[in-house]
Amino acid sequence: DAGVIQSPRHEVTEMGQEVTLRCKPISGHDYLFWYRQTMMRGLELLIYFNNNVPIDDSGMPEDRFSAKMPNASFSTLKIQPSEPRDSAVYFCASSTWGSGAYNEQFFGPGTRLTVL
Amino acid sequence: QQQVKQSPQSLIVQKGGISIINCAYENTAFDYFPWYQQFPGKGPALLIAIRPDVSEKKEGRFTISFNKSAKQFSLHIMDSQPGDSATYFCAASKHGGSQGNLIFGKGTKLSVKP
Repeated sequence: DAGVIQSPRHEVTEMGQEVTLRCKPISGHDYLFWYRQTMMRGLELLIYFNNNVPIDDSGMPEDRFSAKMPNASFSTLKIQPSEPRDSAVYFCASSTWGSGAYNEQFFGPGTRLTVL
Repeated sequence: QQQVKQSPQSLIVQKGGISIINCAYENTAFDYFPWYQQFPGKGPALLIAIRPDVSEKKEGRFTISFNKSAKQFSLHIMDSQPGDSATYFCAASKHGGSQGNLIFGKGTKLSVKP
């Protein structure tokens, strides 16, 4: 398996533009997580899905952020409009009960977003 | 509210030494405590994890010590090597970790000097 795939790996955009981050989870995993990593706040869970259904979006910072999972193999995180304070590395992770030795969450390589 | 507090922020250890990173949690409902390792430019990867029914879990040079009454757990890296240089995150969760909110500590940047 190729692991969790994220695209793009780097994104530079202007303030006010729409940004869409993409994630392909590991095949067979029924949980998908979106995290944001910054120096100040560390790793924060934004939202997670189970069987394509959003379960907890309490970490989504504001209405400018939205996430969808139209099917088991694809999810998007959208920011509209983007602001400089959204600059961060965004990770997608997937898991299933019994995955790995400890019900492991497998992380993708991340998307580094820079909003100018 | 920071539910998982991690210390130190950074740590420098000589090759062959012992690296110790500490975490404390607040929510007694947590039942799963993993440690993740992150190299620059990569996503975090699970290193080792423990459940509160045991006080210690060892895998190779990596050991988690768990103190349920104190609500603390720590990662010990024995015989630290330059290749161990990375950022380490402790985390805590309910429901065994594969679902729900995995709460991360702020991370510890470990540098192992040759």
